[in-house]
Amino acid sequence: SQQGEEDPQALSIQEGENATMNCSYKTSINNLQWYRQNSGRGLVHLILIRSNEREKHSGRLRVTLDTSKKSSSLLITASRAADTASYFCATDDSGGSNYKLTFGKGTLLTVNP
Amino acid sequence: DGGITQSPKYLFRKEGQNVTLSCEQNLNHDAMYWYRQDPGQGLRLIYYSQIVNDFQKGDIAEGYSVSREKKESFPLTVTSAQKNPTAFYLCASTSSGTPYEQYFGPGTRLTVT
Repeated sequence: SQQGEEDPQALSIQEGENATMNCSYKTSINNLQWYRQNSGRGLVHLILIRSNEREKHSGRLRVTLDTSKKSSSLLITASRAADTASYFCATDDSGGSNYKLTFGKGTLLTVNP
Repeated sequence: DGGITQSPKYLFRKEGQNVTLSCEQNLNHDAMYWYRQDPGQGLRLIYYSQIVNDFQKGDIAEGYSVSREKKESFPLTVTSAQKNPTAFYLCASTSSGTPYEQYFGPGTRLTVT
């Protein structure tokens, strides 16, 4: 079953603006990850946040996790045209295998120069 | 260069033919995965393998088969029983030490007519 669901499905912003994407999931998790996919390419891991963490930063990325609401957000600050890509959240299942991730449908981010 | 390779990048087949997609990794990862991605959709897990000579069905295994005879290789066969095989196929791997972050290959786009 689909675990993570991203919102919005598509987001278009101007260069320099911030972009926020949200992810909701259904079951208890050990960790949540965000991945990026450029068109026609494989996914690239961006950041992982564990279930006992509330916020994590990596460069221009900020991820929050609210386990009580079963939701996460990814904030990209000072966006660049090169940030144009699809962004996916992925969750494991704390009752299942650590090796198995479930991906959402993604948010397509377009950053206009 | 360490990484995951998938070949070919584009593959065309006639309906009714079986086709095998290649996935090789030199990251010394124990676990490997096959995902299917349809346009505008997230990734759906087809099969995964945590160790050589062992693999498990994912969410959409029907019409697909895999083998894991070597740690480095995890080929996927799309059989004629797969009703809608045209899709983008992604292979990934992860370390048993940190079974969280998945490393992806560049993908194979399969078109069946």
